[in-house]
Amino acid sequence: EPEVTQTPSHQVTQMGQEVILRCVPISNHLYFYWYRQILGQKVEFLVSFYNNEISEKSEIFDDQFSVERPDGSNFTLKIRSTKLEDSAMYFCASSEALLRGEVGEKLFFGSGTQLSVL
Amino acid sequence: AQSVTQLGSHVSVSEGALVLLRCNYSSSVPPYLFWYVQYPNQGLQLLLKYTTGATLVKGINGFEAEFKKSETSFHLTKPSAHMSDAAEYFCAVGGSARQLTFGSGTQLTVLP
Repeated sequence: EPEVTQTPSHQVTQMGQEVILRCVPISNHLYFYWYRQILGQKVEFLVSFYNNEISEKSEIFDDQFSVERPDGSNFTLKIRSTKLEDSAMYFCASSEALLRGEVGEKLFFGSGTQLSVL
Repeated sequence: AQSVTQLGSHVSVSEGALVLLRCNYSSSVPPYLFWYVQYPNQGLQLLLKYTTGATLVKGINGFEAEFKKSETSFHLTKPSAHMSDAAEYFCAVGGSARQLTFGSGTQLTVLP
């Protein structure tokens, strides 16, 4: 079965440093997402991306965050200047294109990148 | 606005016993409801989803869930637990198709 691939599985960084989390979505998917899960807390939506632009974002996704699809296969999340509270498991997901009005798509999640900010 | 409450952060059952994981939601629009499972060191995997139609939804690995609008619930059940069912389970609600709100998760332990 096709899968979403995330690298690295673990990332350790110093506070204030920039990090880039990488994801390779499923090849024929057109919608891409980032979620995160702080230890002991809920999985939270960060951002969705379609047609080379952000389609939705949460209040967590402030100016320190950005996403990019630099080529035809990768989807990245950049945190410009990491804070201690950015430590979390970050999940990438992708889904197929939807017909107008169709809902409840199946999201395919990657196994996550555990980000530790020291 | 929408939210999800999962009752019980940890649930233990014996192998062969009924599994019941509880989920209640609130949503200002007709909800789309999901259950995801996360095995150790793996990503979130969709178990089942409810969008419209039949309120009893069957998913993978013998799990099913019933949407009860009057109770705002979407509890997950499985008649007979297997050791391989040990994992963390997340209920989620999506008012729109793309933006999911997750519950805090329930860790299921299956005892031999």
